[in-house]
Parts: sequence; C-alpha cells; structure tokens
Amino acid sequence: AQKITQTQPGMFVQEKEAVTLDCTYDTSDQSYGLFWYKQPSSGEMIFLIYQGSYDEQNATEGRYSLNFQKARKSANLVISASQLGDSAMYFCAMRERAGNMLTFGGGTRLMVKP
Amino acid sequence: DAGVTQSPTHLIKTRGQHVTLRCSPISGHKSVSWYQQVLGQGPQFIFQYYEKEERGRGNFPDRFSARQFPNYSSELNVNALLLGDSALYLCASSGSGGHSGNTIYFGEGSWLTVV
Repeated sequence: AQKITQTQPGMFVQEKEAVTLDCTYDTSDQSYGLFWYKQPSSGEMIFLIYQGSYDEQNATEGRYSLNFQKARKSANLVISASQLGDSAMYFCAMRERAGNMLTFGGGTRLMVKP
Repeated sequence: DAGVTQSPTHLIKTRGQHVTLRCSPISGHKSVSWYQQVLGQGPQFIFQYYEKEERGRGNFPDRFSARQFPNYSSELNVNALLLGDSALYLCASSGSGGHSGNTIYFGEGSWLTVV
C-alpha cells in the first residue's frame, strides 16, 4: 500500500486565491512527522512546513498552513493568496521513525494563473 | 549561513562508469541522507548517515555506496552506471538522527545523466 498518496497530479489556481493540496498517509506508528516541500523546475527541494503527530494545533508558516486530520490520516497543505511564484511541484512526505528517512508522495504540480 | 551544498550540479557519464557525488550539510548538522529522484516521481531514500555511521539504507543495489566524513560531509558513490541511474540526486541535512529534529533541509541536487 502507498504510504503517501497525493491524488492531484496537477492543479490550477487563480492568482490571489487560496488552494488546498491533498495528502493522505498510512502508518501504524504513533509517532511520526509530516512534511511539505516545494520543488521548482531548478530541482531544489524547499522545506515549507512540518507537522508532528502529537502536535495538537495545525502548523502554520506564513501563507502555508497544514490541515492535519489525524483520524482521517490526512495532512493537506493550504496556500493562501497564491502568487505566480508558487507555481511548482509540491511533495508531501512522512518520517515514521527516528532518523532522516522520508517517504514521499508522487507530488502535485501547481500552476498559478495570472 | 550556508545551506546544504552539493557538487557537481550537473554531470554526464557513460554506462559502466563510476560517479561520486558530494554533499556538505548545514553547519552544526550531523545527519545526512541521500535520495534519488527519477523524472516525474517523488524522491526515493537511498542512505542515511549520522555521526559517520550508516543509520538506514533504502532498496538500492550494492552498486550504490556512501560514507560520511569527520566534518559530517558525505559522498555518494555509484559504480557500473546504468541508463536507469539517470536522475536528480538530493542530499538532505538535519540536526539529529532522531525525532527531535523536525526540519530536514535539502540541497539543490546533482543532476546525473547516463548515456
């Protein structure tokens, strides 16, 4: 079974509007972490936001927020007030145990329309 | 402060050759991991090193090897290159080997093309 599933291969959003990128995960661990990364065409994987499994509040970082629904095993990324520079691939990833090992989803390509 | 630095940024190799990719983590970070990202897919975990010891290995053949040096920099080596090894190789850095680190930073990657 897929550990990280991103069901939206591509999405369009109008500039200045909000957009939600979906991510569901599968784990039997009680302690895990969820990450979102942005990858522009240059290839660099840019860290956006982190949510720990024991965090009671949804993580927020500027225009990025993570809608964490533990019972549903979902960790959707919300980008508010989209900008043209937000056009990129977005990856959801999970760390299940001690260490750096991340399991990534297949990614969502976001395209912001002017 | 410098982020995660990788070299070279782009390289072209011939099938059967050997390649060495290098990574310097963020200053103070002791953990380095390597990922392979084939075009159109998410990154796949290859290795993790912490305090110069291998802490994890992904499902990659023995042609792939790595090591971490006393200054915490790392090398990824791939022998007997195949066309399928063409990918973006990403290095990740974090402060610790355990769950206490909640941010994992990546470098810009090394684009490897095997012809």
